[in-house]
Amino acid sequence: NAGVTQTPKFRVLKTGQSMTLLCAQDMNHEYMYWYRQDPGMGLRLIHYSVGEGTTAKGEVPDGYNVSRLKKQNFLLGLESAAPSQTSVYFCASSYPTWEGIGNEQFFGPGTRLTVL
Amino acid sequence: AQKVTQAQTEISVVEKEDVTLDCVYETRDTTYYLFWYKQPPSGELVFLIRRNSFDEQNEISGRYSWNFQKSTSSFNFTITASQVVDSAVYFCALSGSNFGNEKLTFGTGTRLTIIP
Repeated sequence: NAGVTQTPKFRVLKTGQSMTLLCAQDMNHEYMYWYRQDPGMGLRLIHYSVGEGTTAKGEVPDGYNVSRLKKQNFLLGLESAAPSQTSVYFCASSYPTWEGIGNEQFFGPGTRLTVL
Repeated sequence: AQKVTQAQTEISVVEKEDVTLDCVYETRDTTYYLFWYKQPPSGELVFLIRRNSFDEQNEISGRYSWNFQKSTSSFNFTITASQVVDSAVYFCALSGSNFGNEKLTFGTGTRLTIIP
């Protein structure tokens, strides 16, 4: 099992450019999440999905869009990158609590994005 | 709204000393889950423990132990006989248990440095 994988691992963008971050999980998890991590601020939720075809806003959704066309994939898009979006982005996945298995989130290795 | 406070931004201890990381949370849910994650210098997030709100038993896993007290809304983490490999940023997190309310709210983290 690869767990949660993220592509790419590093990326440098110029202001105004667009890009898509890909998250894939092979654990058949229903829920998937995108977080950003900034110094001194912990992890903040950008968007999340509770199932294929569904998405919802998290704490800091502005400037990002997401799609969950397949259960195993969760894409995060930046349409017009800004320097304020320089951050480390983490994807995570989990079972729902009601499945009784345990709802701990499993994280990918992160993507370090720099916007110049 | 949910909130997690980790008041200790940075802690340094000499190897073999015991150290406790504090976590205080706020939630209106009657059923919720508390977590601790470790982020070593390599950057990945490692799940350490999940605790249900209705289970106040303390837990011990090797040199790690967790003290959950609902009366003070705290979920503290103690490392006994610390080792250099324990150097990392540690995050406390909280999630609800209702459908759609299971996203994690993270604290800002405590950076622990173990001095050889």
